[in-house]
Amino acid sequence: DAKTTQPPSMDCAEGRAANLPCNHSTISGNEYVYWYRQIHSQGPQYIIHGLKNNETNEMASLIITEDRKSSTLILPHATLRDTAVYYCIVKITNAGKSTFGDGTTLTVKP
Amino acid sequence: NAGVTQTPKFRVLKTGQSMTLLCAQDMNHEYMYWYRQDPGMGLRLIHYSVGEGTTAKGEVPDGYNVSRLKKQNFLLGLESAAPSQTSVYFCASSETGGGRLNQPQHFGDGTRLSIL
Repeated sequence: DAKTTQPPSMDCAEGRAANLPCNHSTISGNEYVYWYRQIHSQGPQYIIHGLKNNETNEMASLIITEDRKSSTLILPHATLRDTAVYYCIVKITNAGKSTFGDGTTLTVKP
Repeated sequence: NAGVTQTPKFRVLKTGQSMTLLCAQDMNHEYMYWYRQDPGMGLRLIHYSVGEGTTAKGEVPDGYNVSRLKKQNFLLGLESAAPSQTSVYFCASSETGGGRLNQPQHFGDGTRLSIL
């Protein structure tokens, strides 16, 4: 699985968009980009994933650059409940294991 | 659906004691995983299973054993607990097979284990 690099922490104002970057410069062609988050002491929660195209669901949008070496998770209208550690993970389609790094601690402030 | 259920939620052990953590999923998922998370750190994979009767080592397997006798259950055992195994343990499962090899993992709420 490709390694990922994320900033250790970010702040965002409540109601504004939160843009969380992830670098995965060694990603290979069959690896997906997944985003999870972990809200204090709870189990990680799946947010979104994608291969090449941008993806959107009810929680967030995922923007993947054309060369696939980086991506951005966008929470369009951040709330205080979005304060969490956000993990970006890259893994191949048929491998079960995933590597969770240290993630980005997002703090949404009123 | 309960999703992924972990028991117990909390446990305190003495050094040298043994115990088994149970993970159960009701989503008919093929893959199951055990992670540990130490304070302020990300999750590290201990063992995983790609199907009933199969197990494989993850990143930090030493001191742990696992079994997957039934598809819905994945057990994590500590034969002789050590203080270094004090951690929060998370179980997860994911669906796979056919065209669904890229499905995400679903996590339980964790087991908080302290070894004195």
